[in-house]
Amino acid sequence: DIQMTQSPSTLSASVGDRVIITCRASQSVDSWLAWYQQKPGKAPELLIFKASNLETGVPSRFSGSGSGTEFTLTISSLQPDDFATYYCQQYNNFWTFGQGTKVEI
Amino acid sequence: QVTLRESGPALVKPTQTLTLTCTFSGFSLNTNFMSVSWIRQPPGKALEWLALIDWDEERYYSPSLKTRLSISKDTSKNQVVLTMTNMDPVDTATYYCARSSDPAAAGPLDYWGQGILVTVSS
Repeated sequence: DIQMTQSPSTLSASVGDRVIITCRASQSVDSWLAWYQQKPGKAPELLIFKASNLETGVPSRFSGSGSGTEFTLTISSLQPDDFATYYCQQYNNFWTFGQGTKVEI
Repeated sequence: QVTLRESGPALVKPTQTLTLTCTFSGFSLNTNFMSVSWIRQPPGKALEWLALIDWDEERYYSPSLKTRLSISKDTSKNQVVLTMTNMDPVDTATYYCARSSDPAAAGPLDYWGQGILVTVSS
């Protein structure tokens, strides 16, 4: 199984901050990586696919980068609606999620 | 408009078999590159992918759960059914179904159902 490790697990930030979340794979997943946002009591929503492609309708302050085993999700200027938990997911070999990163005030 | 909705029991007893149905609209599982996955999330914990079925009837299961899972589709009813045998309290979770439509690789889940909380308790 490919293991996905996110860091940090929790991130304290303020509105307007630049936020970076890291996701590491236990082996190469090429660029087959997605990022999701989940708010309490809601289903996850797709933000980024194939490491750096923005899903339709997702604000441009979200961006993704990386390939192989190291990936990042960047929020350029944190907005009140962005306080949530973020998950990475690899889909190179089956499908595995990271443990999540909670972005809180 | 793409929608998915999970249905099934809210409570099952240990050792019982869970059957969940995902009813979807706005797309067809006969269309190339379409797939539906099941994912679960225990309370306060991370997401765990369980199973996937695609337009070509290919089925994939989580290696750690494959002996307990079965996924099938009924394209005439626009439904995907997941069964999980020998349920245990650790299987208590919100179960989601979700769609992938990426022609490059079945992976990014672009539409999700609202989820159904299944509690395993005697």
